[in-house]
Amino acid sequence: TQLLEQSPQFLSIQEGENLTVYCNSSSVFSSLQWYRQEPGEGPVLLVTVVTGGEVKKLKRLTFQFGDARKDSSLHITAAQPGDTGLYLCAGATSGTYKYIFGTGTRLKVLA
Amino acid sequence: NAGVTQTPKFQVLKTGQSMTLQCAQDMNHNSMYWYRQDPGMGLRLIYYSASEGTTDKGEVPNGYNVSRLNKREFSLRLESAAPSQTSVYFCASRIDRGRSNEQFFGPGTRLTVL
Repeated sequence: TQLLEQSPQFLSIQEGENLTVYCNSSSVFSSLQWYRQEPGEGPVLLVTVVTGGEVKKLKRLTFQFGDARKDSSLHITAAQPGDTGLYLCAGATSGTYKYIFGTGTRLKVLA
Repeated sequence: NAGVTQTPKFQVLKTGQSMTLQCAQDMNHNSMYWYRQDPGMGLRLIYYSASEGTTDKGEVPNGYNVSRLNKREFSLRLESAAPSQTSVYFCASRIDRGRSNEQFFGPGTRLTVL
């Protein structure tokens, strides 16, 4: 069974701090996605990474796909209360569009 | 465009009752998915459909059946509900072109089985 483990599970920080969320697996993925989910809503895609070593930036968010395509990280610079939510990574293996989701990181940014 | 819609939003069932969760998308996507989300477990794939007329099992298919009625609609049926099926159910459809492979999710159905 493929597993995607995220760490930390919970994170509570002050506005302006930086943070990194990790997504790790023993499986190789052809693509990896990061989603953010707010209470009472479905997840919304933030980014997709497909190349080992790829780095993508989305304003204050930086996403990295590991060289071996088994892990990924999400770094947020100068967190804001609007970043509060559940962050999920999801991986797909080659030849399939079945996605395995990570366990999630619940982030709370305090003003 | 409404995107992905799900009905009902909330449902309470007694053990052994049956029900169908409805999902529809108006984005002309070929692929559609059903997930369940439980606390601390992320989303787990129940079934997916790569195109109209095809369905395939995901991680946790037991106790569920699906029907891809047409390109727009993908329904999930619980034949005999059990308390272990208490969860939030999300339907999603996936964009078929480009590199993003973005999945668009519905707002979810919150199901409680007593």
